Amino acid sequence: GENVEQHPSTLSVQEGDSAVIKCTYSDSASNYFPWYKQELGKRPQLIIDIRSNVGEKKDQRIAVTLNKTAKHFSLHITETQPEDSAVYFCAASIGQGLTGGGNKLTFGTGTQLKVEL
Amino acid sequence: DAGVIQSPRHEVTEMGQEVTLRCKPISGHDYLFWYRQTMMRGLELLIYFNNNVPIDDSGMPEDRFSAKMPNASFSTLKIQPSEPRDSAVYFCASSLGAPPTGTDTQYFGPGTRLTVL
Repeated sequence: GENVEQHPSTLSVQEGDSAVIKCTYSDSASNYFPWYKQELGKRPQLIIDIRSNVGEKKDQRIAVTLNKTAKHFSLHITETQPEDSAVYFCAASIGQGLTGGGNKLTFGTGTQLKVEL
Repeated sequence: DAGVIQSPRHEVTEMGQEVTLRCKPISGHDYLFWYRQTMMRGLELLIYFNNNVPIDDSGMPEDRFSAKMPNASFSTLKIQPSEPRDSAVYFCASSLGAPPTGTDTQYFGPGTRLTVL
C-alpha cells in the first residue's frame, strides 16, 4: 500500500519567515495530494491540494509543489504569522475519479509548526 | 450546511463496555470515512463507505471494531468490548465523488475523544 513520509516533525520559524514541509510517497499511481492543518483540539482542515496533472499551486501565502518523477511534494508558507502555528499533515491517494479507488488517503506523520514572535 | 456532525464529542467509559460513535455526513456526500488519531500512530483510516457500502475495512484493528452505514445520512462505529488502548480521537469525514475527476476533498467532523479507563 501507499506510504507517506513527512519531514520535519517539528519546525520553528520567526514571524515573517518562510516555512517548508516536505513529503514523499511510494505509490506512483497516487494522483491527489492534499494538505491539512490541524489546530490543537480541532479537526483537520484542508488548506490546499494538488493533483498530478499540475506541478505547482498557490493560494495567497500558501503554495504546494509536486515532483512526480521523484515522488515528493512540498508545502510552502510565506510571511508566516502566529496563527499559522499548528500541525500540518500531508496525504496522498489515488483519486476516485480515475480508478474508483475511493480516495483512500494515506497521511504523513505531521509537522508541528511554531511561529515565534 | 452544518458540516459533518459527530456525537458524542467526548466519551469516557470503562474497559469492557460497549462504545458507539455516531456520524452524520454532509448531505449529498457519497463517501464516508472513519479515522482514528493517536500520538503514537497518527491519523489512521479505519474504514470507508461508498453509497452506504463498506469498500475497505483493512484498517479496522480487530474484530472488536465494527462499522455500519444503514443510510446515506448516518453511520456508526462500535467498539465492543472497549480496551484502554482504544483511547483516541475518532474522526468521521465525508466527500463528494463525482467522476470523471472527482472532488476528492474530505471534510472532517469535530471528532469524538474516547477515553477508556
